[in-house]
Amino acid sequence: KNQVEQSPQSLIILEGKNCTLQCNYTVSPFSNLRWYKQDTGRGPVSLTIMTFSENTKSNGRYTATLDADTKQSSLHITASQLSDSASYICVVSVVLDMRFGAGTRLTVKP
Amino acid sequence: DSGVTQTPKHLITATGQRVTLRCSPRSGDLSVYWYQQSLDQGLQFLIQYYNGEERAKGNILERFSAQQFPDLHSELNLSSLELGDSALYFCASSVGMTGGVNTEAFFGQGTRLTVV
Repeated sequence: KNQVEQSPQSLIILEGKNCTLQCNYTVSPFSNLRWYKQDTGRGPVSLTIMTFSENTKSNGRYTATLDADTKQSSLHITASQLSDSASYICVVSVVLDMRFGAGTRLTVKP
Repeated sequence: DSGVTQTPKHLITATGQRVTLRCSPRSGDLSVYWYQQSLDQGLQFLIQYYNGEERAKGNILERFSAQQFPDLHSELNLSSLELGDSALYFCASSVGMTGGVNTEAFFGQGTRLTVV
């Protein structure tokens, strides 16, 4: 079983709408949690990074939350744009490596 | 541009062959990570090097090997290639260990390997 589970697997929304992506993890202890955006065929690009003591972190229209007690994180995208269409990957860091979720594939339609 | 350079961008080779993928980390980064991403799959961690030494190993096949050189660039060697090895191979680099607080990992654009 993957130690980082993401849901939904895929999501289609209309341009301008908001959406929330979920990440549950069992990795422990963890050092930090990141959300990456990966455009098709490209390398992932970091959106936010949070330590276990942080509850929320924003980057423009992207807001990530973290509940270290329940081991859950979410990524909220506000006022979606066509360019938001990508895979969003939750990554939990342990001491020596990163554990990747399978990602949520978001499609924003006009 | 993340500052991480991977070459080649594309590679097509036949089954049974051996290839070498190259990664140049960002200037000053000591850690290099290799990941495999098969079609429509998530990123699978293969191996990590830190300042020339292997530090962590993931699901890396015995047919695969890697090393990090004194100038900190890294190579991933894939041998006895099979059709199922076709994938995107990403390299990432960071200053230190990714477990460090706020240690960022930057990804290259990947090498797309096609085994025919």
